[in-house]
Amino acid sequence: DAGITQSPRHKVTETGTPVTLRCHQTENHRYMYWYRQDPGHGLRLIHYSYGVKDTDKGEVSDGYSVSRSKTEDFLLTLESATSSQTSVYFCAISPGQGINSPLHFGNGTRLTVT
Amino acid sequence: KNEVEQSPQNLTAQEGEFITINCSYSVGISALHWLQQHPGGGIVSLFMLSSGKKKHGRLIATINIQEKHSSLHITASHPRDSAVYICAGRSGGSEKLVFGKGTKLTVNP
Repeated sequence: DAGITQSPRHKVTETGTPVTLRCHQTENHRYMYWYRQDPGHGLRLIHYSYGVKDTDKGEVSDGYSVSRSKTEDFLLTLESATSSQTSVYFCAISPGQGINSPLHFGNGTRLTVT
Repeated sequence: KNEVEQSPQNLTAQEGEFITINCSYSVGISALHWLQQHPGGGIVSLFMLSSGKKKHGRLIATINIQEKHSSLHITASHPRDSAVYICAGRSGGSEKLVFGKGTKLTVNP
C-alpha cells in the first residue's frame, strides 16, 4: 500500500472555529490532492498541489486554503468552519500527470461541524 | 448533468453471479480509473486504463475511448465484493479527475 496517512481520522468542531487536516506521504510523489465526499455527489476536488509551494484550486475551493511547505505534507485548512463543510475528506497522491499515473488515497477524515 | 455517469446506481446480486458496472463520460479523457470503497473504508484504486482491457483476479475492466464508455466486470461475485465502485476520468494533460457518483454493489450469500 502507498504510504499515505491522514490525520485526524475523525473530528468534531464548532461553527466558526479553524480546522486543519493533515495529509502525510512517504512516497515522494509530486502531486497531492484534497477531495471531499458527500452523499449524492461524486468526489469533488478542493485543492491540489503539483510541488512544494505550488498549489491550485479545484471545483469547490471556497472556504478552504492549503499549504505545502514540504514534499511529504499537504495541509487543508478551514479558516472558519461551517456546517456545509461537514463531510468526509480524502487526500490522494500521484507521481505524475501522465495518463499512466496511478492514484492512491488516504483513509479519509470524517469532519463534523456543529 | 454530471460529466461522468455510472449505471446502475445500486446493484444487488447473489453470490456467484457475473456483475457489470458501466461508466459513460461526456468529456474527452485520456485515462480512466476504477476505484473501490468499502463501507466506512478508504478508497482503493483497482484499475487505471487508457485502452483495451485489464484483468486482475476476478475483476476485468474495459474501455472504449471512441465510444466514451468503460465497464467493470466481476466474475463469480462474492459477498466481500460488496462495496461502492467509482469511475473517474482524467482529461489529457490535466491533473483534475472527474468522478462518477458511484455504484453501490451488494452481493448476498
